Amino acid sequence: DTEVTQTPKHLVMGMTNKKSLKCEQHMGHRAMYWYKQKAKKPPELMFVYSYEKLSINESVPSRFSPECPNSSLLNLHLHALQPEDSALYLCASSPPRASGSETQYFGPGTRLLVL
Amino acid sequence: AQSVTQLDSQVPVFEEAPVELRCNYSSSVSVYLFWYVQYPNQGLQLLLKYLSGSTLVKGINGFEAEFNKSQTSFHLRKPSVHISDTAEYFCAVSDRMAGGTSYGKLTFGQGTILTVHP
Repeated sequence: DTEVTQTPKHLVMGMTNKKSLKCEQHMGHRAMYWYKQKAKKPPELMFVYSYEKLSINESVPSRFSPECPNSSLLNLHLHALQPEDSALYLCASSPPRASGSETQYFGPGTRLLVL
Repeated sequence: AQSVTQLDSQVPVFEEAPVELRCNYSSSVSVYLFWYVQYPNQGLQLLLKYLSGSTLVKGINGFEAEFNKSQTSFHLRKPSVHISDTAEYFCAVSDRMAGGTSYGKLTFGQGTILTVHP
């Protein structure tokens, strides 16, 4: 099973709202990723968690706040977003590099619209 | 640092024709190579990957790719496409050097939109 699940599938929020995106995997992967994808562009890395610790923050604005409560769950908390933050938000996970299977598996994404 | 160039932004093709989507990469270290497919309004699905071993890699849905180290290429091919192959395809690389990390960092190409016409 190589499934990463994401909820919700779609989200519309105002600029003053607070919302959260959720990602879950049960493959025993210890690295989890958040990407942002604008239309007709490749995904852009936002955050990487490794063994539940934040390892990479690609200079993402503080209105995006990631959280990794346990090895299966990854959240992205959203607050005071701007219309330009509207995008597809993708979660991915991967096994440890030492396993020799250097592969990221992606979820279906959350389509976010900020009004 | 790595970079990935997908030489065609759009590839139109007729159903049952062969197709090749081209990908070249640049890296100062050895890399892992991937092709992902993205159907409209969906996430990325792994098509195939080259980690080591045979340079000809077979993936899902009848796709295959060949790793050419001397030409730093990883072109994707399918001998006969279907309407359902219409999607965007991304080539990606990740460097092999662990650097003490337990995660990889993918560098994506800009994507190739494959449109299959009846």
